[in-house]
Amino acid sequence: DAGVIQSPRHEVTEMGQEVTLRCKPISGHDYLFWYRQTMMRGLELLIYFNNNVPIDDSGMPEDRFSAKMPNASFSTLKIQPSEPRDSAVYFCASTTISGGSYNEQFFGPGTRLTVL
Amino acid sequence: RKEVEQDPGPFNVPEGATVAFNCTYSNSASQSFFWYRQDCRKEPKLLMSVYSSGNEDGRFTAQLNRASQYISLLIRDSKLSDSATYLCVVWTGFQKLVFGTGTRLLVSP
Repeated sequence: DAGVIQSPRHEVTEMGQEVTLRCKPISGHDYLFWYRQTMMRGLELLIYFNNNVPIDDSGMPEDRFSAKMPNASFSTLKIQPSEPRDSAVYFCASTTISGGSYNEQFFGPGTRLTVL
Repeated sequence: RKEVEQDPGPFNVPEGATVAFNCTYSNSASQSFFWYRQDCRKEPKLLMSVYSSGNEDGRFTAQLNRASQYISLLIRDSKLSDSATYLCVVWTGFQKLVFGTGTRLLVSP
């Protein structure tokens, strides 16, 4: 069974360019999360969706960041315009919830973004 | 103050050693607690959940102290393959996980 799929795995771009990161969650999972990981700040939740609807985007750093989930099997995180401080590893994770308790989130392999 | 704090390490230990990591959290309403493992340039993966009564999984023992708001992970008989970053993770409800910045462990021959 395929896990969470992310693309591209690596992205190098120049400041000011638009960057789009993609994620395919595990089939049947109804929660999708976008995280960003840096050495200084660790792993931070940016936004999460439930049944394709954004539930909490309080972690999105600023208006340059946007995320969409047009259907249950696809989500994008877009940065426009990109800045060098956006350089980080971006992870997508998915899960399904039962009984109101925590269920393990499964992470994709991440996209390593470098903005020059 | 960060919600979840960990000593970044690195902890350098020889094979066969016992090593312990601690983590503190600030939100007393936190509901569940976990240790995740992250290998270099890989994604985080769940290592184990942490229960108030303490729990073991082979060479790994996790403990939770709610009164002092800290979590611990003990690794016995360290293996080279245990080298990784260990993330302390707190679930605050509403499906949100809060991650510590991780403690790096290096096990040497």
